[in-house]
Amino acid sequence: EDQVTQSPEALRLQEGESSSLNCSYTVSGLRGLFWYRQDPGKGPEFLFTLYSAGEEKEKERLKATLTKKESFLHITAPKPEDSATYLCAVDAGNMLTFGGGTRLMVKP
Amino acid sequence: GAVVSQHPSWVICKSGTSVKIECRSLDFQATTMFWYRQFPKQSLMLMATSNEGSKATYEQGVEKDKFLINHASLTLSTLTVTSAHPEDSSFYICTTGGSYEQYFGPGTRLTVT
Repeated sequence: EDQVTQSPEALRLQEGESSSLNCSYTVSGLRGLFWYRQDPGKGPEFLFTLYSAGEEKEKERLKATLTKKESFLHITAPKPEDSATYLCAVDAGNMLTFGGGTRLMVKP
Repeated sequence: GAVVSQHPSWVICKSGTSVKIECRSLDFQATTMFWYRQFPKQSLMLMATSNEGSKATYEQGVEKDKFLINHASLTLSTLTVTSAHPEDSSFYICTTGGSYEQYFGPGTRLTVT
């Protein structure tokens, strides 16, 4: 059974304090790993797709990396507007399996 | 990327009534749409896969007679919650796309009183 685990569940940072979110996965035949941002009461917003170990992608203050067992979402010098829940999901077939998400709170 | 819309964005209904939620793919031919449910402070859980022109496939534990899915065209899938109960109150999200990206609707907040 495909499993996706995100840690930590919640993370409080001061503005400018860089950190990383973790997404560990166990799937048979990874076709892609997705990162999303979700604001309260809204649908997830696509951030990145990673396909193979060693791949990295960046967007503004976010950088996603992938190994054979996990993915990291690095956030550099976060701002309060980065506060959201970050979800990762794996595609091992025709559906996505989501992790539980990490609630990020960035204080000014 | 593709644009997916949902209607309504929020709905309040009385227990025992039925509610229909529409999911439209505005610029993408969606042969497959996925319906997710999200309870407060929890992650998205797949409910069913909606296939254009054929029956939907439901995840284990999801009652197909309670959550009716119709996918009559490449741009529209509907989810009808029949005989809704307070425990059906949740955030319902549809999504479509391929292996490269999944496009999410904005979600529908259902509250059953």
